[in-house]
Amino acid sequence: AQTVTQSQPEMSVQEAETVTLSCTYDTSESDYYLFWYKQPPSRQMILVIRQEAYKQQNATENRFSVNFQKAAKSFSLKISDSQLGDAAMYFCASSSGYALNFGKGTSLLVTP
Amino acid sequence: DTGVSQNPRHKITKRGQNVTFRCDPISEHNRLYWYRQTLGQGPEFLTYFQNEAQLEKSRLLSDRFSAERPKGSFSTLEIQRTEQGDSAMYLCASSFSGRGDEKLFFGSGTQLSVL
Repeated sequence: AQTVTQSQPEMSVQEAETVTLSCTYDTSESDYYLFWYKQPPSRQMILVIRQEAYKQQNATENRFSVNFQKAAKSFSLKISDSQLGDAAMYFCASSSGYALNFGKGTSLLVTP
Repeated sequence: DTGVSQNPRHKITKRGQNVTFRCDPISEHNRLYWYRQTLGQGPEFLTYFQNEAQLEKSRLLSDRFSAERPKGSFSTLEIQRTEQGDSAMYLCASSFSGRGDEKLFFGSGTQLSVL
């Protein structure tokens, strides 16, 4: 079974600063995808960024970027120039067939 | 595009009662997923439809749970003889085709409380 581990239950960052959220995963599949989702208090899961495992280049979406280390099975999310609206739960996920396996999440607090 | 819609938003029921949730996906999406999320956990996959066909079911989906997607449009998730352990948020997501990498659009969920 695939597992996704997020070792940081809660992180805090000051507005305009940079924060990195950690994620490790375990999979036996050779072709898979990795995702970071954001869940604000409205509860709707929103895709932040995704990475194709066969691509070595790290994905980037505006202020969000990942550090994908395939051999170490590590997939961290870096948020630059943090904004108050970034405050939310962040979930790391890996694909397994058509299902996603999610970690337990990291609660990100953004202070003014 | 009005997004994925789930109803009701909240449901409180007594143990032993049956409940049904509805999910309306984005209109052109052919794939529909149900996930369950308990407090302090990430979502857990329950089941998946491609059009009207239910193609994958998790072991979490006991025989008290049934999901349908008639005509490949909206979907319903029914829980019979609810138990307190069924209390959770039930999330629906939809997507258009893809190889497992497609972008999932999630609804805001139905929060179920079993008393």
